[in-house]
Amino acid sequence: EDQVTQSPEALRLQEGESSSLNCSYTVSGLRGLFWYRQDPGKGPEFLFTLYSAGEEKEKERLKATLTKKESFLHITAPKPEDSATYLCAVQENKLIFGAGTRLAVHP
Amino acid sequence: DVKVTQSSRYLVKRTGEKVFLECVQDMDHENMFWYRQDPGLGLRLIYFSYDVKMKEKGDIPEGYSVSREKKERFSLILESASTNQTSMYLCASSFGETQYFGPGTRLLVL
Repeated sequence: EDQVTQSPEALRLQEGESSSLNCSYTVSGLRGLFWYRQDPGKGPEFLFTLYSAGEEKEKERLKATLTKKESFLHITAPKPEDSATYLCAVQENKLIFGAGTRLAVHP
Repeated sequence: DVKVTQSSRYLVKRTGEKVFLECVQDMDHENMFWYRQDPGLGLRLIYFSYDVKMKEKGDIPEGYSVSREKKERFSLILESASTNQTSMYLCASSFGETQYFGPGTRLLVL
């Protein structure tokens, strides 16, 4: 069965403390891996799409990387405004979402 | 910028009522989707549409129907609302692979 697993479920960081979020997946034919940011009570906001192993994308303090079995979202020197839930999704014939990682960055 | 709007941010309905959730996108996207999001379960696909008047069942279509009479508008219908349909409902649209989401409708069924 196709699966997307995100870890950790929740992460608490101090401002400036860099870390990584993990998204591991088992799908037979990956057509893309997506990262979204979701603030409480709002819809997911698109961040990145990765298509092949070795690919990397960056946006401000975020960098997403992809291997054949997992993706990482690296957060460098985070700020409190980076606090959100980060969702990973993989596209096979439909989009399959992970449960998300709740990130809290404290000053 | 892609804009996906949903008709209501919050709704409170009674058990047995017929409920309409509306979604409009302004980017001429072919594909539109309805999801529900529940704590611990993530986003689950209810229905999707690849063209006007076309619909396909997602993973959890039971108790729901959809309508797509115009390209920009995709409606989700709860024929007879039940308490287990209390959830956050998210609409999305896409042209290629990337889906863009609306702000969501939080529905409470009493």
